[in-house]
Amino acid sequence: GAVVSQHPSWVICKSGTSVKIECRSLDFQATTMFWYRQFPKQSLMLMATSNEGSKATYEQGVEKDKFLINHASLTLSTLTVTSAHPEDSSFYICSAKRQGGTDTQYFGPGTRLTVL
Amino acid sequence: AQSVTQPDIHITVSEGASLELRCNYSYGATPYLFWYVQSPGQGLQLLLKYFSGDTLVQGIKGFEAEFKRSQSSFNLRKPSVHWSDAAEYFCAVGAPVTGGGNKLTFGTGTQLKVEL
Repeated sequence: GAVVSQHPSWVICKSGTSVKIECRSLDFQATTMFWYRQFPKQSLMLMATSNEGSKATYEQGVEKDKFLINHASLTLSTLTVTSAHPEDSSFYICSAKRQGGTDTQYFGPGTRLTVL
Repeated sequence: AQSVTQPDIHITVSEGASLELRCNYSYGATPYLFWYVQSPGQGLQLLLKYFSGDTLVQGIKGFEAEFKRSQSSFNLRKPSVHWSDAAEYFCAVGAPVTGGGNKLTFGTGTQLKVEL
């Protein structure tokens, strides 16, 4: 149990376009989901925390108008990279906390975004 | 602000040898500490966590970690490494967030290579 999926697993897009990444908790309901960004050979950096039905809380330095996060249901959160540029190319990872469960976060496999 | 330091970027051990991965943290209160493992193409998997209580924590796959408050450390150990343990290991410190879960701050990771 406690499986988190991400779609797509990889995406290539042109500069200036927008890309949506989905994060789903497949077998549990998630009250809180987290979005991370990982650069090659580097650690995961938390971008934002989202709670179902409310606005996401962004970390300092993360542009909320550029990285739109929607957590419309207890099993789905989306990250939309708007007007993507090459510097947005990265590995994006989501995690989810089970509703009513322990504080353990379950991580998705990640989405590799390449902006040309 | 919390931070995590993993001083070893790469470690190589022989199969069957013991392993210790170092982790030092900085946090103003009693920390929630985690060790995750990341394998290519897979999401981060939780190995173990420390919230309170016994400072020696047992995890999955034969791993254990010891919380030492005086040294601000949470080193990961395994008495006998298997070739399948080759992966990237991340230490993280968590701060509680509204709605549940923890805002995780990750170290830069340690890449473990296992020689047969």
